[in-house]
Amino acid sequence: DIQLTQSPSFLSASVGDRVTITCRASQDISSYLAWYQQKPGKAPKLLIYAASTLQSGVPSRFSGSGSGTEFTLTISTLQPEDFATYYCQQLNNYPITFGQGTRLEIK
Amino acid sequence: EVQLVESGGGLVQPGGSLRLSCAASGFTFSSYRMSWVRQAPGKGLEWVANIKEDGSEKYYVDSVKGRFTISRDNAKNSLYLQMNSLRAEDTAVYYCARVAWIQIWFYDYWGQGTLVTVSS
Repeated sequence: DIQLTQSPSFLSASVGDRVTITCRASQDISSYLAWYQQKPGKAPKLLIYAASTLQSGVPSRFSGSGSGTEFTLTISTLQPEDFATYYCQQLNNYPITFGQGTRLEIK
Repeated sequence: EVQLVESGGGLVQPGGSLRLSCAASGFTFSSYRMSWVRQAPGKGLEWVANIKEDGSEKYYVDSVKGRFTISRDNAKNSLYLQMNSLRAEDTAVYYCARVAWIQIWFYDYWGQGTLVTVSS
């Protein structure tokens, strides 16, 4: 099974900050990676697919990069509504797996 | 507007069974793979199962193989998850999700989830 390790697991930041979350895969997954945002009590929301393609309607302050085994999600200028938990997901092989999540909180 | 609405969750005893449903609307259901993903209380997301557009292929996480069955009825625009031999560790919110393809697979729409609690 492909393991995804996100870092950090917890991140404290302020409105206006630039933040980066890393997702490392245990083997090469090409660009078969997606990023999701989840707020408490809500379903996950797709942000990025194919490692770097912004989903329609998602603000341009979100961006993704990487391929192979190392990927990043960057939020260029944090807004109050961005404080949430973020997950990466690999869809290269079954079983599909998610990272453990990165909880982004207001400093 | 794409909508996915799960139902069928509830409290069940260990060893019991439950059938979850996901009613889809706003898109051509038979053209999309579908998936179940779960989230235990306070934990992360865990993929459970996928099913191809015509139901011909099904995939499961190891922990539910032989106990859970994913199925679909394209005439009713509905996705199902039959869960047997339930265990305490199956307690979670279960989400259905639409699987889309543009360069890669990804989950572009999710339902609101239905809570399954396995407890005596």
